[in-house]
Amino acid sequence: DTAVSQTPKYLVTQMGNDKSIKCEQNLGHDTMYWYKQDSKKFLKIMFSYNNKELIINETVPNRFSPKSPDKAHLNLHINSLELGDSAVYFCASSPVDRVRTEAFFGQGTRLTVV
Amino acid sequence: KNQVEQSPQSLIILEGKNCTLQCNYTVSPFSNLRWYKQDTGRGPVSLTIMTFSENTKSNGRYTATLDADTKQSSLHITASQLSDSASYICVVTDRGSTLGRLYFGRGTQLTVWP
Repeated sequence: DTAVSQTPKYLVTQMGNDKSIKCEQNLGHDTMYWYKQDSKKFLKIMFSYNNKELIINETVPNRFSPKSPDKAHLNLHINSLELGDSAVYFCASSPVDRVRTEAFFGQGTRLTVV
Repeated sequence: KNQVEQSPQSLIILEGKNCTLQCNYTVSPFSNLRWYKQDTGRGPVSLTIMTFSENTKSNGRYTATLDADTKQSSLHITASQLSDSASYICVVTDRGSTLGRLYFGRGTQLTVWP
C-alpha cells in the first residue's frame, strides 16, 4: 500500500488555468506538508498542516491555497497558473516526534505550465 | 539564519568505488539530521537519522557521521553500485518549534558509472 499518494503524477496546463493536486496519507500522521522542487532540485517548503490547522506558510503567492478536509488529506489548489509555477510538487507527512522527525514523501507531481 | 550546505554539488564515480558526501549546517537549536536519497522521478526516502548524541549510523553500505560541535555531517558510500546513482539530500530539523522545522540542503547528485 502506498503510504503517501499524490494525484496526478503529471499535469500539463495552460497559463491562467486553475488546477488542483490531491494528497492522501494512510500512515496516521498528524502533520502534512507541501514542498516545491525547482529545476535545480532544491526542495522548499510551502505549507505545513497539523491536524487540519495551518502551521507553516512560507512566502508563497496567495494563488496557492492548501486545503485539509481531514488530517489524512492535504490538497493544493493553484489559481491563475504562471510559467514560473512549473516544478515538481511533493506532498509529505510526518508524525509529531520532536526527536526523530521523518518526512515520508509522495512520488511528486510534475507540473508544466505552457 | 538556519542553513544547510552540501558539497560537492555533483559527483561521478566508477562502480565499486567509495565516496563521501559532505553537509554543513547552521540550524539551531539542533534536533536531528537525516540523509535522504532521491531517485530520479521519485520522492526522497530516508537513509539514516542521527540525533545530538549519535555520531555515526550505518545502513548497509551507507554510513553517516555527525560532529555536532562543528555542525558537520558526512555520508560515506562503500562499494558503490549503479543503483546508488541519485540525489542525496541532507535535512536538519530544529527543536525550536513545537513541530520541529525541516531545513533541506540542495543535494549532491551522484552518478555511478559502470
